[in-house]
Amino acid sequence: GESVGLHLPTLSVQEGDNSIINCAYSNSASDYFIWYKQESGKGPQFIIDIRSNMDKRQGQRVTVLLNKTVKHLSLQIAATQPGDSAVYFCAENYGGATNKLIFGTGTLLAVQP
Amino acid sequence: DTAVSQTPKYLVTQMGNDKSIKCEQNLGHDTMYWYKQDSKKFLKIMFSYNNKELIINETVPNRFSPKSPDKAHLNLHINSLELGDSAVYFCASSRGQGHYEQYFGPGTRLTVT
Repeated sequence: GESVGLHLPTLSVQEGDNSIINCAYSNSASDYFIWYKQESGKGPQFIIDIRSNMDKRQGQRVTVLLNKTVKHLSLQIAATQPGDSAVYFCAENYGGATNKLIFGTGTLLAVQP
Repeated sequence: DTAVSQTPKYLVTQMGNDKSIKCEQNLGHDTMYWYKQDSKKFLKIMFSYNNKELIINETVPNRFSPKSPDKAHLNLHINSLELGDSAVYFCASSRGQGHYEQYFGPGTRLTVT
């Protein structure tokens, strides 16, 4: 189960509202970015990715926006549902041959019914 | 049809013991990874193998030794376990160079007492 006293940044939204989760990345040379969803007791699950030559990518109910000028990434979830409650991580790939992903801190999304 | 599997799911052991965690992927991927997730949910890369060759070796105590008998398996052996090794360990895999999306296993929760 979850650790008691876990102090992740938390976003609390009402069911049906849109959610926006933000992420600042560190390396201006990063060429690939990815969002993962981690439910309690499970491994991270791929949501959506974007390459550095794009500034927006849409999936089913999710949109990722990339602002390279300020090194900022956001994940928008439309019509948030209780099943969206999880910890969300952004990750950046530093480039090069090693496929090394550097993960952000994580944001806990709590959906209120 | 588990894509990335890990055994065991839970591991409780005493300080000073040696233990192993096994990982297998049936996705036909060339690259596999080990991550450590601490109590604050911070996810950090430890090792990566590409076609049985070590390509990422982060600053990890040498008590940790990965072994890849073939490209579908990546095991993690830990010697002389310490309290600070308590964490959730995730295995992941990806298609290989230039394909950054990583697929994660369910995790192994290691508790050292």
